[in-house]
Amino acid sequence: GNSVTQMEGPVTLSEEAFLTINCTYTATGYPSLFWYVQYPGEGLQLLLKATKADDKGSNKGFEATYRKETTSFHLEKGSVQVSDSAVYFCALSDIKAGANSKLTFGKGITLSVRP
Amino acid sequence: NAGVTQTPKFQVLKTGQSMTLQCAQDMNHNSMYWYRQDPGMGLRLIYYSASEGTTDKGEVPNGYNVSRLNKREFSLRLESAAPSQTSVYFCASSLQGTIGTEAFFGQGTRLTVV
Repeated sequence: GNSVTQMEGPVTLSEEAFLTINCTYTATGYPSLFWYVQYPGEGLQLLLKATKADDKGSNKGFEATYRKETTSFHLEKGSVQVSDSAVYFCALSDIKAGANSKLTFGKGITLSVRP
Repeated sequence: NAGVTQTPKFQVLKTGQSMTLQCAQDMNHNSMYWYRQDPGMGLRLIYYSASEGTTDKGEVPNGYNVSRLNKREFSLRLESAAPSQTSVYFCASSLQGTIGTEAFFGQGTRLTVV
């Protein structure tokens, strides 16, 4: 079945540091890949996505590139801010004929950014 | 634009009590989902409904029932709550069948079973 593996957390960084959060996946077809962010006390919201190999998703200074050869979708940001402190989830959806494209999530990683 | 609305936001139950979590979306989505979020476990799918009139089990369905009342509403029922069901519950919706379609989430229900 489908699965998503994220690096272990939590992660603590100083403001303006470089961020990388690793994500790898296993899927039988050609999945779409997502990063969701959950701010304290809130639900999840989409941060960025990519739907095919070599696509790069980007939003709010975050980027991730769909790498089919390494089955990865690592999240990066060049300079984090305190306001980026949140939980980040990598996810995939895999449409097969007649199947529901429900999301499969990684375990999430908590990012804390110090001033 | 309300998006996905869940009620209640917080609930404390005694073991053996029952309750229903309500979820409604106003985006005309056909698919709806219930997830639970536990520390170190990520989000796990409890049940989903691909379209009005259909429901299917997800990864952790035991102890739960669902009803897709109409296209907008998808409720989750705990018939006899157990401490293991203490969790944060999220409802989500999406447009099925579209590559790259994202899911929209409610604010969550924090449930404690004592």
